[in-house]
Formats: sequence, structure tokens, C-alpha cells
Amino acid sequence: DAKTTQPPSMDCAEGRAANLPCNHSTISGNEYVYWYRQIHSQGPQYIIHGLKNNETNEMASLIITEDRKSSTLILPHATLRDTAVYYCIERGQGAQKLVFGQGTRLTINP
Amino acid sequence: NAGVTQTPKFQVLKTGQSMTLQCAQDMNHNSMYWYRQDPGMGLRLIYYSASEGTTDKGEVPNGYNVSRLNKREFSLRLESAAPSQTSVYFCASSEEAGTGLEAFFGQGTRLTVV
Repeated sequence: DAKTTQPPSMDCAEGRAANLPCNHSTISGNEYVYWYRQIHSQGPQYIIHGLKNNETNEMASLIITEDRKSSTLILPHATLRDTAVYYCIERGQGAQKLVFGQGTRLTINP
Repeated sequence: NAGVTQTPKFQVLKTGQSMTLQCAQDMNHNSMYWYRQDPGMGLRLIYYSASEGTTDKGEVPNGYNVSRLNKREFSLRLESAAPSQTSVYFCASSEEAGTGLEAFFGQGTRLTVV
């Protein structure tokens, strides 16, 4: 059921912006894009979600293309503590199921 | 607020033994989930419960049973443990998508079957 595609791994220098892409070419009109991350072996943590418009919160920004077929999660000033696996998920309005893909393993280098 | 609490945190079982993993949430969420995560892999959905009294299979339900005891509690049972079930198990709870209420996860149960 995981219909998103993410690169398996990425590297970023500490202090730089980390841009994590996600393809969701079959997303339907009522499906949200959610981002979670999992640091080491902890439980996943919610980051941000959006439907059509770009979103920003204290953790990150989410840029969704106009056709909604892809999005980018931006961590503006990455720190070593941002090293984690990042998951991009589609989830329809009212959906109960929550399915994860393989995610992107982001490594922040000093 | 405790959020999502899982017990136990660690467990070692012998092949063929049974056990129940417990999960409780205090956020009044309708939906609850059980996942397993094998080393170096992503999370795979075992079972989920959209509301009290309902349960549905996820991606990898074989070898497991679940019970949604009430709105707060969702348990996962291994009737006859196998080494292939060695994994980290995560419980989560949420409301449905679009409410702006994200899913919250427990800290995991690390299960080893020998």
C-alpha cells in the first residue's frame, strides 16, 4: 500500500539545508502527504503534513508541487541530531490505515 | 500525558512459547496500530484497529492475533513464537487523516525468539 518513492539514502553537511524528495505520482485529490522520521531505534515521530499548499512549522518546511505528484521536505539548518530515517506517506481524508515505505536514511555529517 | 505506552520493553522467548504485547494510549484516539521492524528495514503494519471493537489485517498478519480491549488498549498476541518473529514491535495511535492530528508511537518492544 506504500505508494510513495524515496531515495534510500542521502547525506548533508551540518548547518546546510537538507532537502528530501518524495514522489507520489498516483496521489489522489483527497490524500495528504505526511512526513515522519525515526531516530536510531526510537518510535517514529511526526514532522509535518500537507494537502496542496506549502507548509512550515518549527521543525521543517514541506513544498508540494502544483500537480501534487511530488514533494520535498526541507530541514533548513540540519544538525547532527537530524540524522534519521525519514518517511513520506500518502494518507487519504478519513483514512484509518497508516502504511510506511522504506524511507530515506539521512546522514548529517560534521 | 504518557502518550503511547508499550509493555514489556524487552522480551526473550523460546520457540513455541506464547506472549502478549500490551499497548495503551491516553489521547482518546480512535485508531491504533501494531508494526514490526526488522533490523535495517522499514516498519511493516501487522494489524490495525480503526475503532473500538474493530480490527483489520495489515501487511504481515500471519502468526499474530490482536484484541482491541477498549478505546485505550490494543494488544498483540504471538500464540507460538518463531525465530522469524524476532523484531522490534511498535504500537501507535492516531485519528484519521485530515484532522491534523498526527500518529504517536510507543518506544517499542524488542523481542528475541530463540
